[in-house]
Amino acid sequence: AQKITQTQPGMFVQEKEAVTLDCTYDTSDQSYGLFWYKQPSSGEMIFLIYQGSYDEQNATEGRYSLNFQKARKSANLVISASQLGDSAMYFCAMREGTYGGATNKLIFGTGTLLAVQP
Amino acid sequence: KAGVTQTPRYLIKTRGQQVTLSCSPISGHRSVSWYQQTPGQGLQFLFEYFSETQRNKGNFPGRFSGRQFSNSRSEMNVSTLELGDSALYLCASSVGHRGDYGYTFGSGTRLTVV
Repeated sequence: AQKITQTQPGMFVQEKEAVTLDCTYDTSDQSYGLFWYKQPSSGEMIFLIYQGSYDEQNATEGRYSLNFQKARKSANLVISASQLGDSAMYFCAMREGTYGGATNKLIFGTGTLLAVQP
Repeated sequence: KAGVTQTPRYLIKTRGQQVTLSCSPISGHRSVSWYQQTPGQGLQFLFEYFSETQRNKGNFPGRFSGRQFSNSRSEMNVSTLELGDSALYLCASSVGHRGDYGYTFGSGTRLTVV
C-alpha cells in the first residue's frame, strides 16, 4: 500500500536558519509525484513544491528545495532562511501514476508542525 | 485570478441532519477532489470528479456523496451526520485529470456536528 511517513511531529527553528522536514514514501509504482504543502492555522493548503519521480534534478522554488533521494524513497523539504511567517503545519503528499493512468488522489503524511522563533 | 472558493466556511449541524458543501474551482480547472481532515485520521481522500464524472472514490461510507456540474463546480453531501463527521473539508482543483500542473486548495469548510 502507498504510504507517506513524516516522523517529526513538531520542530523549532531560529529565524534566518535553514530547516529540513523529513518525508519518506512507499510505493510500488515507477511513476509518481511528490508534493509539499503548507497549512497555516487558517486551514488553507498552500502548494510549495513538486517533484516527479523521473525528474533528475531536485526541485527548487525560491526558499524551498526538495532533497529527492529516490533509492532511499525520501523527499525532504529544505526551507532556507526561515521567516516567522513560515510557522505552520507542513504536509508531504504523493500522487501515483504521474505520466499515465493517473488519478488526482493525493496521499498525505501526518504533517510536521514548524515553529519559527525570533 | 480567483482561487478555489468553498462555501460555507463554517457550519454547525446536529446529528442525523444532512449537509451540502460547495466548491468552485479555478476558472478552466476541470478536476475537483475532496478531502476530509480530522485530528485523528489526518487528511483522507474522499472523491474526485473530472468533467462531471466521478473518477475515484476513497474509503468512506455511502453517506458521503458528491457531484460535479457542467461548469465544474462541485458539491459534496453528507447524510445522516455523525459526531465523527466533524472535520475540515477541503477541495482541490486542477487543470486536468492528472494534476500535472498541481493542485490548488480552497480554504475549507469547517463542519461541526453536535
